[in-house]
Amino acid sequence: DQQVKQNSPSLSVQEGRISILNCDYTNSMFDYFLWYKKYPAEGPTFLISISSIKDKNEDGRFTVFLNKSAKHLSLHIVPSQPGDSAVYFCAASAVNAGKSTFGDGTTLTVKP
Amino acid sequence: GAGVSQSPSNKVTEKGKDVELRCDPISGHTALYWYRQSLGQGLEFLIYFQGNSAPDKSGLPSDRFSAERTGGSVSTLTIQRTQQEDSAVYLCASSLGSNEKLFFGSGTQLSVL
Repeated sequence: DQQVKQNSPSLSVQEGRISILNCDYTNSMFDYFLWYKKYPAEGPTFLISISSIKDKNEDGRFTVFLNKSAKHLSLHIVPSQPGDSAVYFCAASAVNAGKSTFGDGTTLTVKP
Repeated sequence: GAGVSQSPSNKVTEKGKDVELRCDPISGHTALYWYRQSLGQGLEFLIYFQGNSAPDKSGLPSDRFSAERTGGSVSTLTIQRTQQEDSAVYLCASSLGSNEKLFFGSGTQLSVL
C-alpha cells in the first residue's frame, strides 16, 4: 500500500515554460508535505514545503499547491530552467509518526 | 563539516558477508533516518531515531538489518549475511526534530556480488 504516489515517472518541458509535478496521498493523517530535488550521485535536497493549514506556498520560481479534499499536491516551476533537470520527490509526514514517506519520484527534463 | 556525512561512499561485498554503513548527522539534529533507494525505485524508509525515544524500526526489511545510534549522534546501519537484493543506495538524513525537513547525505552505494 503506497501512501504517497507520483504517477508520472517522467516529464519533459521546454526552457521558460511551466513544469507541473503532481503527487497524491492516501493517508489523511499526513499534515506536512515536502518536495525534494535529487541530482545523480547526490542525496536529495529540500526544495519547498507546505503545512496542511495552508493551500499554497511560494518560494521564488517554486510554488506548491495543496488540495486536502482531493489528497493532492502539485509543484509548479515557473519559468523552468535546464538546471532544474533532476528527480523530484514528494514526501509527507504526520505529526505523530515523525518519519517522512516518499513517492517514487518524477524525472524532470528541461530542454534548452 | 556542516552537512550529513556518510561512509563509505561505495562498498562492494560478496554475498553472505556483513557490512556496516556509517552516518554522521548534522550537529544538534535530534532526528536521524535511514532510507534506501534501489535502482529505478523511490526512497524506502528503513529506520528512524528521535532523541532518546525507542527507534521506529518498522521499515527494516528483515532481521538481517539493524541500526544503532550512539550518544544521540553517529549511527551505524549493519546488514548481516548480505544478499544481492540488498544492493542499493543507502541514504542517511537528519533533521532538527520530527516533522521537519530532512538533510540528506550523499549515500553509500552498496553492491553485493
